[in-house]
Amino acid sequence: DQQVKQNSPSLSVQEGRISILNCDYTNSMFDYFLWYKKYPAEGPTFLISISSIKDKNEDGRFTVFLNKSAKHLSLHIVPSQPGDSAVYFCAAGARQGGSEKLVFGKGTKLTVNP
Amino acid sequence: SAVISQKPSRDICQRGTSLTIQCQVDSQVTMMFWYRQQPGQSLTLIATANQGSEATYESGFVIDKFPISRPNLTFSTLTVSNMSPEDSSIYLCSVRQPLFYGYTFGSGTRLTVV
Repeated sequence: DQQVKQNSPSLSVQEGRISILNCDYTNSMFDYFLWYKKYPAEGPTFLISISSIKDKNEDGRFTVFLNKSAKHLSLHIVPSQPGDSAVYFCAAGARQGGSEKLVFGKGTKLTVNP
Repeated sequence: SAVISQKPSRDICQRGTSLTIQCQVDSQVTMMFWYRQQPGQSLTLIATANQGSEATYESGFVIDKFPISRPNLTFSTLTVSNMSPEDSSIYLCSVRQPLFYGYTFGSGTRLTVV
């Protein structure tokens, strides 16, 4: 039973355009969410996070939106650059009860074409 | 954020043998985490390693198969024992950063069992 789902295994966009990566979750106990970027032969790199008390968090070209009622979050990259080409993982955690466990989606491979 | 050195970066092993993966952090951390990413799958938490106590294993993972050591606050090892081809995966260690920075990952160990 996948608690965190990234339904698009891949996404291709043109340089300069917006990239939108989507993520759905099923567990209403999740209270924080993170996005990671992973290049081949490297570990995942933390990108941006959002707490469940917020609906938006912005950091430079990256913005994460959270829709709690829909159990959906998205990562927007504007403008997209070729160096953004990587696999993006959505992850969720529940701090209640002191759990440190992160649950990851399967990832979306983003390709930004020059 | 913390810097994690993980080794080996990759290995090809014979079935029935064991491999120990090392993870060194450049700062003291209370909790270290070991993840597995099977081909085409998401990252799955194997266990949480606390210094001075037994590791806590997630459902589906057992100490006999994945023994973990945590001798101090900067170092941990994960051993994959009695390997079979199904153990072929990327294994990653991770440490928790202050929430704002998320969790930091090592570069991973790509294990192939033949």
